[in-house]
Amino acid sequence: DVKVTQSSRYLVKRTGEKVFLECVQDMDHENMFWYRQDPGLGLRLIYFSYDVKMKEKGDIPEGYSVSREKKERFSLILESASTNQTSMYLCASSFLDIGYTFGSGTRLTVV
Amino acid sequence: AQSVAQPEDQVNVAEGNPLTVKCTYSVSGNPYLFWYVQYPNRGLQFLLKYITGDNLVKGSYGFEAEFNKSQTSFHLKKPSALVSDSALYFCAVRMDSSYKLIFGSGTRLLVRP
Repeated sequence: DVKVTQSSRYLVKRTGEKVFLECVQDMDHENMFWYRQDPGLGLRLIYFSYDVKMKEKGDIPEGYSVSREKKERFSLILESASTNQTSMYLCASSFLDIGYTFGSGTRLTVV
Repeated sequence: AQSVAQPEDQVNVAEGNPLTVKCTYSVSGNPYLFWYVQYPNRGLQFLLKYITGDNLVKGSYGFEAEFNKSQTSFHLKKPSALVSDSALYFCAVRMDSSYKLIFGSGTRLLVRP
């Protein structure tokens, strides 16, 4: 089975901190994605990457950046964390029509 | 613009009864449709997908979904609900020319004993 691993299940950070969320997949998938999940809003796409060093903005990229230096790793960076970035962050990977495989999520609280 | 609607925030059903979780979509072109389930404090798990072919799609855990092109719907169904089916369900759509999945807002399914 494809595995997508997010490095932290829970994180608490202070306003203004730079925050790194890490995601690793083990099945050589081309595409990787970062979503945030908020009650009543479903999942909203922040960024995605379809190849190493390639990235595209999703629907809500403001306040975030990403890095994909290796195929298996896709990092989400909060440049200066704010309280409105408190959320559940979900990483996913995909290959063609197989659909997405999600990590378990990182629940980030910014205080 | 592409969009997915799940009109019910919550669906309540008694164990053993059939269940339906509704989904409608709006895209141009050929849609790829998916259902995912999320248990508390977990990521999303794939249930089933429609790409092409038979309009009735069977998936994991006894779930199935019917693609209806004229009504632009992809409702999730199960003939006999289990308490363990209680979870958050997401419908999603992807254009055949895109990498991106667009998700609905989710429907919480509560199956009472």
